[in-house]
Amino acid sequence: EAQVTQNPRYLITVTGKKLTVTCSQNMNHEYMSWYRQDPGLGLRQIYYSMNVEVTDKGDVPEGYKVSRKEKRNFPLILESPSPNQTSLYFCASSLSTGYLDTDTQYFGPGTRLTVL
Amino acid sequence: GDSVTQMEGPVTLSEEAFLTINCTYTATGYPSLFWYVQYPGEGLQLLLKATKADDKGSNKGFEATYRKETTSFHLEKGSVQVSDSAVYFCALSGGSYIPTFGRGTSLIVHP
Repeated sequence: EAQVTQNPRYLITVTGKKLTVTCSQNMNHEYMSWYRQDPGLGLRQIYYSMNVEVTDKGDVPEGYKVSRKEKRNFPLILESPSPNQTSLYFCASSLSTGYLDTDTQYFGPGTRLTVL
Repeated sequence: GDSVTQMEGPVTLSEEAFLTINCTYTATGYPSLFWYVQYPGEGLQLLLKATKADDKGSNKGFEATYRKETTSFHLEKGSVQVSDSAVYFCALSGGSYIPTFGRGTSLIVHP
């Protein structure tokens, strides 16, 4: 089954404790991205990647890191999490460009992160 | 910059009622417009899209028409079902790698 998976689905942590949220897709997609969803603000893009070793900032990259060493994986790293990073996080992938017009994005189920 | 404004939720309806969820946008140029749906516990899924003015996107009984004169893309369905209960997101793409999403509108349909 074609899908985007994220782990963990739920995470409670404390300020300053490094964490990684994994994202994996089995569709051989080139484009992958991370979003955060906050009440009243909708989805905002954090980082995106056009292909292996190619990443770029989205609208809200501060406090996050990403890497794309393999095509299928795109982990989101919080080196020193803070309470304002408490949010619902979504990973997404698409076949090539990531342009919504021509390239449907497939979303993972989400990771709910709480930073105390 | 680009922005999308959706009506506040939740929208609560009885089964078979008519649904409208309003969406307006601001953007430079000629964006494409989208509606995504998020069912409980799942990621977003594309529901429908329209890529130019006056286009109508439709899927699963839902429709939305790209109105450039009113910068709107309202989502409608003639008769909602309990299974339509979900969060609906309006979005636009101005041709960049960074799409713009609205805040989402929760729809609750009662039997």
